Amino acid sequence: AQRVTQPEKLLSVFKGAPVELKCNYSYSGSPELFWYVQYSRQRLQLLLRHISRESIKGFTADLNKGETSFHLKKPFAQEEDSAMYYCALSPNSGYSTLTFGKGTMLLVSP
Amino acid sequence: DSGVTQTPKHLITATGQRVTLRCSPRSGDLSVYWYQQSLDQGLQFLIQYYNGEERAKGNILERFSAQQFPDLHSELNLSSLELGDSALYFCASSPGSPTYYNEQFFGPGTRLTVL
Repeated sequence: AQRVTQPEKLLSVFKGAPVELKCNYSYSGSPELFWYVQYSRQRLQLLLRHISRESIKGFTADLNKGETSFHLKKPFAQEEDSAMYYCALSPNSGYSTLTFGKGTMLLVSP
Repeated sequence: DSGVTQTPKHLITATGQRVTLRCSPRSGDLSVYWYQQSLDQGLQFLIQYYNGEERAKGNILERFSAQQFPDLHSELNLSSLELGDSALYFCASSPGSPTYYNEQFFGPGTRLTVL
């Protein structure tokens, strides 16, 4: 069975500091990995997916198959980055369902 | 608003009761997903429908059932409710094939409180 682990429930940083939100996964095949974000009073939305290899709002994430990790990084955090971040996995085996981690709340203070 | 809509926004009921949550997908989306979000379990996938047919099942209890209608809206039925069923229930929709990942678009959720 697949599993996504986000070890930190809360990550608090100051504006301008680097941010790394950790995500580890377990899955026997080659999954697709995603980061979803939920800003205050807004819907859960896709932030980025590993196959697109793009930077969204300054965030990047690299899939490390050896370490089974997909950490989300941003070099300089902004206050508007404060939100709940979920790492998610979709099996690359004929299903489009998502398995989510429990989420990390990122708080960026001025 | 052409996004995913869910009704009702809030629902308060008693143990042992039955409720129905409704979801309307984005225009043109054929897949509907249901998720349960609770404090201890996080966001858990319950069930997926694609063009009216059940496609995948996750951690859905036998007391829960769902269906997708010809107009593509979906309903999640929760029966014999227990205190532990109190949670936020999200619906999401996506276009295209259910056999590879399409971006899922989430609704605002229905908050269920069982007293």
